[in-house]
Order: sequence, then structure tokens, then C-alpha cells
Amino acid sequence: EDQVTQSPEALRLQEGESSSLNCSYTVSGLRGLFWYRQDPGKGPEFLFTLYSAGEEKEKERLKATLTKKESFLHITAPKPEDSATYLCAVQARTGNQFYFGTGTSLTVIP
Amino acid sequence: DTEVTQTPKHLVMGMTNKKSLKCEQHMGHRAMYWYKQKAKKPPELMFVYSYEKLSINESVPSRFSPECPNSSLLNLHLHALQPEDSALYLCASSQPGGGSYGYTFGSGTRLTVV
Repeated sequence: EDQVTQSPEALRLQEGESSSLNCSYTVSGLRGLFWYRQDPGKGPEFLFTLYSAGEEKEKERLKATLTKKESFLHITAPKPEDSATYLCAVQARTGNQFYFGTGTSLTVIP
Repeated sequence: DTEVTQTPKHLVMGMTNKKSLKCEQHMGHRAMYWYKQKAKKPPELMFVYSYEKLSINESVPSRFSPECPNSSLLNLHLHALQPEDSALYLCASSQPGGGSYGYTFGSGTRLTVV
């Protein structure tokens, strides 16, 4: 059964304190792994797509990496505006739908 | 600003009311989706339309009725809802199969059933 697990559930960081969010997945043939950011009461906003193990993507203070079993979202020197819920989703080769993880709620304290 | 527009942003309805949620995209995407999201939970897939045809219905109760009048529009008709249906309803679109950028989500409609 396809499954996505994110950890930690919540994370509080001081401004400038780097850390990583984890997304572990089990899927019968990965088509893509997606990272989204969601602010309260808003729809998820696309961040990255990763397709194969070893792939990395970067955007400002965020860097996403992928292995055969998990993905990490590394946050370097975060700022308060990085506070949000970060969602991971996987898409299997068969089928069209995404399977979302439960998200990590990140709070960056000034 | 999002390229998927949802209206209304907020909706309060009684259990006997009939209302509709609307979603519009002009990105040329041919797949559109309805998701339901409860507080502190991930989005849950409700319906998938591909080329204006319903391709997935995730066992959603019949009080939710989707409609895709054309490739740019997606509606969700609501009737006789229950208080537990209160949630953020998200519309999304993509190229069929997901595409390189995954789904583009709208900002959602916050629905409260009283």
C-alpha cells in the first residue's frame, strides 16, 4: 500500500537555526515526489519536484533531496517568514492521484 | 496570486441549504481536482476530472456533486450537508498525469455547516 509519513509533526526553530524535515514514502514505482508549502487558510504552494534518487533541488533557503525511501527538506538559516506547514506528496507511476503526508508545521522564532 | 481561482472564499450554510463552490483555471490544464482538508490534516482527494470526464470518485457521499462544464471550470454542488463537512475545500489543476509541477492549488473555500 502506498504511504507517506512526515516527521517531525511540528518543529520550532530560532531564526538562523538550520534543520531538516523528513518525508518517508512507500510507493509501487515512484513517478514523482513533490514538496509544498501551506500557509494557514490557504492552498498548498508548489516548491519542488524530485524524480529519482540522488536528485537535489534548491530555492533560496530550501533544499530538497531524494533517496529511494525518503526525501529531506533542508532549511538553512530560516527566517520567520518561512513559518508554514510543509507537505510532501508522492505520485505513483500508475494512477493520477497524489498521496499527501500529514505535514510538518514549522515555526521560526525571531 | 494563484492561477486557480476559487469562489467564494468563505461560505456558511445550513444543513438544508443548497450551495455551489466554483473553481476556474486558465492554464490549459486538462485535469482538475477537488480536495477536502480538515484542520491540521493533509488534503484528502474527493474527485478527479480528466478531459472534463469524472475519472475518480473517492467514495464521497452523494450530498457532494461535482460538475465540470468545460476545461476551465469545476463546480462542487452541496446539498444537505452535515456539520462534520465543515472544512477547507481545495480545487487544483494539472496536466493529466500530474505534470512536472504537480498540482496548482487554489486558495480554497472555507465552508462552515451550521
